[in-house]
Amino acid sequence: NAGVTQTPKFQVLKTGQSMTLQCAQDMNHNSMYWYRQDPGMGLRLIYYSASEGTTDKGEVPNGYNVSRLNKREFSLRLESAAPSQTSVYFCASSGRDQGTEAFFGQGTRLTVV
Amino acid sequence: GQQVMQIPQYQHVQEGEDFTTYCNSSTTLSNIQWYKQRPGGHPVFLIQLVKSGEVKKQKRLTFQFGEAKKNSSLHITATQTTDVGTYFCAGHTGGFKTIFGAGTRLFVKA
Repeated sequence: NAGVTQTPKFQVLKTGQSMTLQCAQDMNHNSMYWYRQDPGMGLRLIYYSASEGTTDKGEVPNGYNVSRLNKREFSLRLESAAPSQTSVYFCASSGRDQGTEAFFGQGTRLTVV
Repeated sequence: GQQVMQIPQYQHVQEGEDFTTYCNSSTTLSNIQWYKQRPGGHPVFLIQLVKSGEVKKQKRLTFQFGEAKKNSSLHITATQTTDVGTYFCAGHTGGFKTIFGAGTRLFVKA
């Protein structure tokens, strides 16, 4: 089992460009999450999806959109990248609603210049 | 909104010394989880605490959940270089959101 797979691992964007970060899990999990990690800020929740067909905003949703394409896949889109979005992005999934172990992908290191 | 504060932000220890990181929530938690992230890696689940006053051990690691379910701690006895990384607590109050603390980065000098 691959677990949670994120692509790409690294990306450099120019300000104003758009891109989509892809995430897929093969554990049949209902819940999926997107976090960003900045130095000294820990992991901040951008969006989450409790189940296929539903998405909700987290702590820092501005500038991002998400799509829960099916149970396996949860993508994060930056429509017009800004330098403030330079960060490491992690996708995660968990089996049930709250309080179960979250499995993280390897992360995407995004730089916006 | 709900916050989970974690201290200290950094800790430098000599190999063999003990280490403790603390988490405090502004609201009562239904449970708390701990994760470890090695440098350059991704967070990996360590343990979950659910009951008031719960204490769990994993070898040299001891996890505690406060009586009021608002605070938690992770204590490592006799640190080793393999303990290097960032330790995060993650609190749940119900629903689907997980609120992570900022993490404590542990440096161990051999």
